[in-house]
Amino acid sequence: DVKVTQSSRYLVKRTGEKVFLECVQDMDHENMFWYRQDPGLGLRLIYFSYDVKMKEKGDIPEGYSVSREKKERFSLILESASTNQTSMYLCASSDPRGVYNQPQHFGDGTRLSIL
Amino acid sequence: GNSVTQMEGPVTLSEEAFLTINCTYTATGYPSLFWYVQYPGEGLQLLLKATKADDKGSNKGFEATYRKETTSFHLEKGSVQVSDSAVYFCALVFSGGYNKLIFGAGTRLAVHP
Repeated sequence: DVKVTQSSRYLVKRTGEKVFLECVQDMDHENMFWYRQDPGLGLRLIYFSYDVKMKEKGDIPEGYSVSREKKERFSLILESASTNQTSMYLCASSDPRGVYNQPQHFGDGTRLSIL
Repeated sequence: GNSVTQMEGPVTLSEEAFLTINCTYTATGYPSLFWYVQYPGEGLQLLLKATKADDKGSNKGFEATYRKETTSFHLEKGSVQVSDSAVYFCALVFSGGYNKLIFGAGTRLAVHP
């Protein structure tokens, strides 16, 4: 089974801090994704990466950046945390090889609170 | 643009009741369709999928049929259990888009004994 591991389940940070959320997958997947989940809004894509050092903006990239130095690891960075970034953050990975409709595999999420 | 619309929740049912969660989509093309489930405290898991019109996806007693004429992918289960209580997400994906999913807002299901 694919395993996507997010480094923290719960995180509390202060306004203005630089925050790092880490995600590791163990199945050699090329694609990795960061979402935030808010009630009534579903999942919204922040950034995704289709290869090492490659990244693309999603629907809501403002205030975030990402890093992918190794294939298995995809980091989400909040450059200067703000209270409106309090949310659940979900990481996912997928294998684009073969048919295009391979499912994404998700981690358990990090619930981030910015005080 | 492309989008997914789900019925608003919460949906509250008694055990063994019949479940329908409506999902409709707007798409410029022919996407694949998915249902994901999120149990409390967990990430999303793929529940079922359908890749072309008239396909039926099924898993764990859940079913959904890809209806191109009505642009719908409604989720059904004949007899729900308390353990089915979760949030259900409908999603679509297109080819050539790095497997980027477009999600609905999610529908919370609560099943009572």
